[in-house]
Amino acid sequence: DAKTTQPTSMDCAEGRAANLPCNHSTISGNEYVYWYRQIHSQGPQYIIHGLKNNETNEMASLIITEDRKSSTLILPHATLRDTAVYYCIVRLPSGNQFYFGTGTSLTVIP
Amino acid sequence: DGGITQSPKYLFRKEGQNVTLSCEQNLNHDAMYWYRQDPGQGLRLIYYSQIVNDFQKGDIAEGYSVSREKKESFPLTVTSAQKNPTAFYLCASSLDFEETQYFGPGTRLLVL
Repeated sequence: DAKTTQPTSMDCAEGRAANLPCNHSTISGNEYVYWYRQIHSQGPQYIIHGLKNNETNEMASLIITEDRKSSTLILPHATLRDTAVYYCIVRLPSGNQFYFGTGTSLTVIP
Repeated sequence: DGGITQSPKYLFRKEGQNVTLSCEQNLNHDAMYWYRQDPGQGLRLIYYSQIVNDFQKGDIAEGYSVSREKKESFPLTVTSAQKNPTAFYLCASSLDFEETQYFGPGTRLLVL
């Protein structure tokens, strides 16, 4: 039940900012936007989430457009360890699961 | 050191055999979840539990069973009825049903 659209893959130079886009044009007013990442053969790692306002934590920043139909995850200074698949998910607070699609495979290049 | 542990990391199953995957958390979370991930695909929900002694089927529960006798533990049994069990199995937990889910390291199940 895909509610988000992400590019299949992206490259980013080490030390540069990685900007990962996500479209969620059918998002409803009380659905949150979550971002996780998954390094090969490991469990997904929570990164950040938000509802309307932009959010920042020690890992990343989340920019949500005013109409909430799209968002961007920003890794300010990408390192080789940031190479992973990044998942953008929309979810109701009362939703019983996170719908993980196929995500964006980010490769950080030395 | 709080977290979610899954064991074993790799598990082999013979045809017609039931196997049980372990998931333990010491985060004092009420809700726990099991997901299945196939190569190159996203996660699909197998079962979830909002509280001890309660659990609900997810999207792909057929061929699986769970129990939730303790808050800390949510084991998943892959039964012989599951015809295509080879996959990466992920356990997650959250403070309650509405909160952020945190994942364990996963168990890779292979059929011999």
